[in-house]
Amino acid sequence: NAGVMQNPRHLVRRRGQEARLRCSPMKGHSHVYWYRQLPEEGLKFMVYLQKENIIDESGMPKERFSAEFPKEGPSILRIQQVVRGDSAAYFCASSSGNQPQHFGDGTRLSIL
Amino acid sequence: EDQVTQSPEALRLQEGESSSLNCSYTVSGLRGLFWYRQDPGKGPEFLFTLYSAGEEKEKERLKATLTKKESFLHITAPKPEDSATYLCAVQAVRGGGADGLTFGKGTHLIIQP
Repeated sequence: NAGVMQNPRHLVRRRGQEARLRCSPMKGHSHVYWYRQLPEEGLKFMVYLQKENIIDESGMPKERFSAEFPKEGPSILRIQQVVRGDSAAYFCASSSGNQPQHFGDGTRLSIL
Repeated sequence: EDQVTQSPEALRLQEGESSSLNCSYTVSGLRGLFWYRQDPGKGPEFLFTLYSAGEEKEKERLKATLTKKESFLHITAPKPEDSATYLCAVQAVRGGGADGLTFGKGTHLIIQP
């Protein structure tokens, strides 16, 4: 069952380090979305990508955060110089255009 | 700005006790309303998509309905395995129809044996 695969499942970083989160979409899906879930908060949309293109990054913080979905390989969400407030669960979803988004099981990021 | 409000925040039911979860929304043109189920430590699992007022979808003990302002998730004769957080999300009519979703905070449902 080739669902949305995210890794690592858990990631611990010290303040100032970089965090790299990876997402492989479901087979046949070319649309990838990243969401962040803070404790006691709902899922918040961050960015929507298609292969080699960022379609909508309206939910992405302007600094330190970037995302890519290269022609080959997984989508990457990169957080530079992490701070305590970046601690959250980061979820990736994929779809095939006008179809429901299917989610991975997330990466839990903890900042020491 | 699109908004989704879910109520109640938490609900505890006895096994077999039917109830409904509410999702109120405001959106600048609704493309679709989505219901997901999320178990602890897992990602949201897709349940239903509703596109227009009056539409209904059913799956086992769950039935989702949609009006112009809200959606309901009806749970009939629930079982303990129905315990989860149920999430409602909307997608607005913008761009090409594959945009990001706006989620509510969810209803945490507990079904006691």
